[in-house]
Amino acid sequence: DVKVTQSSRYLVKRTGEKVFLECVQDMDHENMFWYRQDPGLGLRLIYFSYDVKMKEKGDIPEGYSVSREKKERFSLILESASTNQTSMYLCAIKPLSVSYNEQFFGPGTRLTVL
Amino acid sequence: GNSVTQMEGPVTLSEEAFLTINCTYTATGYPSLFWYVQYPGEGLQLLLKATKADDKGSNKGFEATYRKETTSFHLEKGSVQVSDSAVYFCALSDSPYTGTASKLTFGTGTRLQVTL
Repeated sequence: DVKVTQSSRYLVKRTGEKVFLECVQDMDHENMFWYRQDPGLGLRLIYFSYDVKMKEKGDIPEGYSVSREKKERFSLILESASTNQTSMYLCAIKPLSVSYNEQFFGPGTRLTVL
Repeated sequence: GNSVTQMEGPVTLSEEAFLTINCTYTATGYPSLFWYVQYPGEGLQLLLKATKADDKGSNKGFEATYRKETTSFHLEKGSVQVSDSAVYFCALSDSPYTGTASKLTFGTGTRLQVTL
C-alpha cells in the first residue's frame, strides 16, 4: 500500500509567520505534488517535484516555495503567511510503478491564517 | 489549456436513488480520465479511471464511460447508499502514459449527500 503522511491535520498561524507543511512518503517514489483545495475551485497545483532537489511550478506558485532535500520528504513553505492562504493543503505522490497517472493523496492539512 | 467542468452541488438523494454527476472536459490529444472521491475528513482516493475512448471504468457500483465524441465522463451509480456521501472530483491527465511528472487537472468537485 502507498502511504502518504502529512505532519499536521490542523494548523493555525498568524499573518506574517513562516509556515512549513511537511509531506512524507514511505517508499522511494519520485513524483510528489502539493495542491490547495478551496470550495468552488477544486484542487489547484502549487508545486511538484520529480526527484531530489528538483522542483517545478504548478498553476498557483505565488507566495509559496518548496524543498526536497531527501526523496521521502517534500515540504511546502509559506514565507510570510497571509489570510488568503487559509485553505486545505493536500500532498500527493505518483509512483512510477503505477500505470497511468494515478496519484495517491495524504489526509490533508487544514491551515488557518489569522 | 486543459479544463474539467463538473456539475455544481450539492446533490441530495435518498438512499437507493439513481446517481448521475456530469463531467465534461477540454484537452488536446488523448487524455486519461479519472473520478476521485473524498470522504469527510480524508484525502482524495481514486474511484475509477478510463484511459481511452469508449473505455468504461467501474468500482464499488460506480461507472463512467469515456465518450470522446461528447468529451464527457459522467459518473453513475444505480442505487446510492448513505456511505456514498462524499465529494466527487472529475480529473484528467493529458498524457496516457506516465511521464516524469504528468499533471492532473481537476474539476471543482460535487458534494453528494445521501439521506435515509
